[in-house]
Order: sequence, then structure tokens, then C-alpha cells
Amino acid sequence: QKEVEQNSGPLSVPEGAIASLNCTYSDRGSQSFFWYRQYSGKSPELIMSIYSNGDKEDGRFTAQLNKASQYVSLLIRDSQPSDSATYLCAVNGAGNMLTFGGGTRLMVKP
Amino acid sequence: SAVISQKPSRDICQRGTSLTIQCQVDSQVTMMFWYRQQPGQSLTLIATANQGSEATYESGFVIDKFPISRPNLTFSTLTVSNMSPEDSSIYLCSVDPGTGGDEQYFGPGTRLTVT
Repeated sequence: QKEVEQNSGPLSVPEGAIASLNCTYSDRGSQSFFWYRQYSGKSPELIMSIYSNGDKEDGRFTAQLNKASQYVSLLIRDSQPSDSATYLCAVNGAGNMLTFGGGTRLMVKP
Repeated sequence: SAVISQKPSRDICQRGTSLTIQCQVDSQVTMMFWYRQQPGQSLTLIATANQGSEATYESGFVIDKFPISRPNLTFSTLTVSNMSPEDSSIYLCSVDPGTGGDEQYFGPGTRLTVT
């Protein structure tokens, strides 16, 4: 069974710090990797996608992918209280379907 | 990204009844999906809604319990049948906009409580 694993947290960081969120996956055939942010009571919002090894930066967010290690991470620089949410890692599989990790709850303290 | 709406946004239903959830997209999309998110849990794919053919269900989900319609490329419905309290959950539809990146965008969700 294809699995996507995340530390459930909560991960607590002070405002202005770098938050580092990690995800491992089991399907070596996966080609597409995504990070979603989900605020309490809201639906998931796509914030980053990454398809090749290395780093991809978008504003304060950097996604990192290492296919050899089956590892994908999300760095949030200059963390803000508004970044407090659950972050879901998603990995594609057969038929373009996504498998989601359990999510990491991030708390940014002022 | 596509604009996705769902109806109803929330409902409270009695056990044994059925509820149909609607998902509307503002553009034509090939791939639509239905997920369930139980309290405090992550997302579990229920099925892929295929236009013009039967939905493709994931392990643990069956058509009799979760019938799905997909009459066109902008609309789908999910029915939760013969509900029990265990069906209390958030139900989400999502779409793959077909840009080739496999990303999915989610509707606002339907919060269902079964009493």
C-alpha cells in the first residue's frame, strides 16, 4: 500500500523563524509532489508543487525534493502567526490520484 | 485555478437517510474526485468521478453506499446513503484542471453530521 508519512506535530516555532516540514513516501514511481495548507474548518489550499529533485522557491516557501531518499520537505521562512495551520503533503500515483499524508500541525507563536 | 462550489456547506441528518452533495466547477475539467476527511484526520479518496461512465471507487468504498453522478464536465454529485453516525465527516470534491501537473484544487467542503 502506498504511504505518505508526516510527523503530526504540533511543530511550534517563534515568529520570524524558519519552519521545516518533512514528508516521506513509499512509491518510488511517484513523479508529482504537493504541499497543501489547511486552516481549521477550511478546505486544503495548494501552496507548492515540485516535480524534480532539488529546491523550488516561491516567496517565503521553499519545497525540496530528494527522490533517491523518497523525501520531500517544505521550508517556511520568516514564519508568521498567519502560517499557523495544518500542512498536508500529497504524492501522485497511478491514474493521477493523490495520496495524502496525515498532516503536520504548525503553530507560529508571536 | 478553477473556482469550485459545493452545496450544501453543512447539514445535520438523521441516521438511515441519504444526502446528496453537489459540486460545481466554473470550467470544464476531465478529472473530478471526491474525498472524505474525518475529524482530526487527513483526506481519504472515495472515488474518481468519470464523465459519461461509472465512478472508480477506492478500496473500502462502494457504489451502493456512495453513488456518484457526473453528467457533464462541470458538475458532479456524491450521495451518502443510509447514513450512520460513522459517516459524520467533511466531504470534499476536487478537480485536476488538466494542465499536466497532476495538481488538484478543492471545493470548500460539506460538513455532515449524522445523529
